[in-house]
Amino acid sequence: AQKITQTQPGMFVQEKEAVTLDCTYDTSDPSYGLFWYKQPSSGEMIFLIYQGSYDQQNATEGRYSLNFQKARKSANLVISASQLGDSAMYFCAMREGWGSASKIIFGSGTRLSIRP
Amino acid sequence: EAQVTQNPRYLITVTGKKLTVTCSQNMNHEYMSWYRQDPGLGLRQIYYSMNVEVTDKGDVPEGYKVSRKEKRNFPLILELPSPNQTSLYFCASSASGGQPSEQFFGPGTRLTVL
Repeated sequence: AQKITQTQPGMFVQEKEAVTLDCTYDTSDPSYGLFWYKQPSSGEMIFLIYQGSYDQQNATEGRYSLNFQKARKSANLVISASQLGDSAMYFCAMREGWGSASKIIFGSGTRLSIRP
Repeated sequence: EAQVTQNPRYLITVTGKKLTVTCSQNMNHEYMSWYRQDPGLGLRQIYYSMNVEVTDKGDVPEGYKVSRKEKRNFPLILELPSPNQTSLYFCASSASGGQPSEQFFGPGTRLTVL
């Protein structure tokens, strides 16, 4: 069965430092996608970054990068040079299947707080 | 502007009074989905739809109904709401071709059942 685990309920980081948010997953399907979303206090879900299971390189989007270690089944989000506006909940999610619209599961989230 | 809209944004109701939360997307996406978000549990999928007239259960479908009569709309129906359905609800949509694609989320509906 699919499973997503985020082991850090909350984190505090000093502004301008880099931060890594952990995510491990479990699936028997060789084709899957991994996503990270940000949820600020206003409540909306903001897509950050995507990694496909067949992608050879780690995904990057501006200050966000995904440290994809397939053998370890981990997909950690790295935020470089953190900013006060990065304070939010962060969710890791996985979707199985290639060319199909299948179930998507989310981790329980990590609350990131950036200290000035 | 590409978006997913939900209505209402906030709703307080009483046990047993049928309600519908609407969801609409303007991106011609095949896939639409409903989630509920509860503290400490992340988002859990209620129902999803791969296209018109095609729906399937997610992880927590009990007490909910959906329909997909048009591609752009995917309403969530609670026929007999109960207090344990008090939650934050999100609708989302995505394209379904090719590699797994990102979902676009609506703004959320905060439901309280008294």
